[in-house]
Amino acid sequence: EAGVAQSPRYKIIEKRQSVAFWCNPISGHATLYWYQQILGQGPKLLIQFQNNGVVDDSQLPKDRFSAERLKGVDSTLKIQPAKLEDSAVYLCASSLGTGGVYEQYFGPGTRLTVT
Amino acid sequence: GENVEQHPSTLSVQEGDSAVIKCTYSDSASNYFPWYKQELGKRPQLIIDIRSNVGEKKDQRIAVTLNKTAKHFSLHITETQPEDSAVYFCASGYALNFGKGTSLLVTP
Repeated sequence: EAGVAQSPRYKIIEKRQSVAFWCNPISGHATLYWYQQILGQGPKLLIQFQNNGVVDDSQLPKDRFSAERLKGVDSTLKIQPAKLEDSAVYLCASSLGTGGVYEQYFGPGTRLTVT
Repeated sequence: GENVEQHPSTLSVQEGDSAVIKCTYSDSASNYFPWYKQELGKRPQLIIDIRSNVGEKKDQRIAVTLNKTAKHFSLHITETQPEDSAVYFCASGYALNFGKGTSLLVTP
């Protein structure tokens, strides 16, 4: 079974620039998550999709972050404009269903450095 | 929202000893408690999980216990090996809220 795919793996940008990350979940997984993991901390949920609808985006800084999941499969996360404090690893995860009882499978992450 | 506290932040043990990591959570409605292992530069990997209708679960050298009344759960690793060295995260909640992690070092 193919895992969760993410690209790019690394990205370096200057503050105030924009950046986009892409995620392809495991086939058949209805739920997709984006997490932000700052160095030395646990992953923090940014947004959760069930198919192509948003379940939870309460911790997404909506003034600069946006995400979409077209057709209920792939997803993109965008930051515009980036700030220094956005430097982190952005992890995408997917699970069969929602409700917090389904195992989440993580992608390799995108390491973002904002200079 | 759910608040997950994890202790200790670092843990160093000798090979063969046991390691215990503890977490507390705030939302009494939480019913799923996974533990993830993350090696340096790698993605988090689920190592064991427990649901609220069970008090203990074991998988070879790894076990998790859950006390719903006290709202805490623990990870137990027995007969530790150097390859167990990693950061371990607990999580709970409808949408997973993670603890801050425990950096475990197993020295030969």
